[in-house]
Amino acid sequence: GAVVSQHPSRVICKSGTSVKIECRSLDFQATTMFWYRQFPKQSLMLMATSNEGSKATYEQGVEKDKFLINHASLTLSTLTVTSAHPEDSSFYICSATPGSLVRIGGYTFGSGTRLTVV
Amino acid sequence: DQQVKQNSPSLSVQEGRISILNCDYTNSMFDYFLWYKKYPAEGPTFLISISSIKDKNEDGRFTVFLNKSAKHLSLHIVPSQPGDSAVYFCAASEETGANNLFFGTGTRLTVIP
Repeated sequence: GAVVSQHPSRVICKSGTSVKIECRSLDFQATTMFWYRQFPKQSLMLMATSNEGSKATYEQGVEKDKFLINHASLTLSTLTVTSAHPEDSSFYICSATPGSLVRIGGYTFGSGTRLTVV
Repeated sequence: DQQVKQNSPSLSVQEGRISILNCDYTNSMFDYFLWYKKYPAEGPTFLISISSIKDKNEDGRFTVFLNKSAKHLSLHIVPSQPGDSAVYFCAASEETGANNLFFGTGTRLTVIP
């Protein structure tokens, strides 16, 4: 089945630094990838939709200059949290889908990244 | 505004018995619903889905029921197994194939051996 690899699984960084999270589709080409964020005891919230070769589409309230998304190839999307602050501490999860014929059930999620900003 | 709600944060069930997880939604435009299972420190994995044209979908031990008039769906697991212990998320979408999935807050299921 489709596998999505997310790295790192856990990162601790100092306030003011930037952190890059990678999301790779290992056995399929992902034209679209999604980035979610989950705060404790809350829902998974969609942050942005990343399309290969074009700019990401951000959800309302998500700062595009703070959460930089790059989808440079069909197998890799990156999320960079710039100038991280403690309130950015969260669980970030990516998901990917192979193409235009989207079956929602076919969304595959990465294992998530626990970001702690100190 | 939480469009998908799971009002029970946790549920404990004896092994072999039925687990029933509930989910309510407010957006009448939702027409596709999914359940995901999530283990700690892992991403969610897809479990089962249902289109709004159906009221039931079954896959092995898992059955999802949809009551459109009540804007309510439920996931039944029978018989429950210890390996089913996880957090279960209900999710909904406004149209099949749409990008945005709206998630509930999850219900932690514990199956007691």
